Amino acid sequence: TQLLKQSPQFLSIQEGENLTVYCNSSSVFSSLQWYRQEPGEGPVLLVTVVTGGEVKKLKRLTFQFGDARKDSSLHITAAQPGDTGLYLCAGGSGNTGKLIFGQGTTLQVKP
Amino acid sequence: ETGVTQTPRHLVMGMTNKKSLKCEQHLGHNAMYWYKQSAKKPLELMFVYNFKEQTENNSVPSRFSPECPNSSHLFLHLHTLQPEDSALYLCASSQDIEGIHSNQPQHFGDGTRLSIL
Repeated sequence: TQLLKQSPQFLSIQEGENLTVYCNSSSVFSSLQWYRQEPGEGPVLLVTVVTGGEVKKLKRLTFQFGDARKDSSLHITAAQPGDTGLYLCAGGSGNTGKLIFGQGTTLQVKP
Repeated sequence: ETGVTQTPRHLVMGMTNKKSLKCEQHLGHNAMYWYKQSAKKPLELMFVYNFKEQTENNSVPSRFSPECPNSSHLFLHLHTLQPEDSALYLCASSQDIEGIHSNQPQHFGDGTRLSIL
């Protein structure tokens, strides 16, 4: 059974601080996606990484896929209150369309 | 506007009721999904449909019955649910599930919040 473990599960920080969220597995994934979900809404895709060692940047967010394609990280620089939400990583494998989701990291950024 | 619309947004039902959840996507996608999101648990995939055909049933109890009449519409029929079935039910779509498109994103609706009394 493929599992994705996210850490930390909850993070409360002050505006301007940096943070890193980790997504780890013992399984290899063909791709790793990061979503953000706000209360009352569905998850929205932030980025997809597909190559081992790949790094993608989205403004103040930096995403990295591990060399072995078993883990990923999300780093936010100078967090803002608008970054508050639930961050989900999801691993894809093969051609089934199935995504394995981590349990999520709830981020709260205080002004 | 996410391109994936779910109705109703909230549903309260008794354990003996029959109700249906509806999902419609306006993205021209061929694959549609049902997920269950419970507090403190990972999103759980329930069903996958590709070109109207069910390709995945993730050991979901028979009290949940999906229906996909065409690539744009997906239903989840509910009957004799249990209190532990209370959760947010999310629908998603993607271009398809195969080949070079296997890494494409899934587009989610905003979910139906289901409460079983």
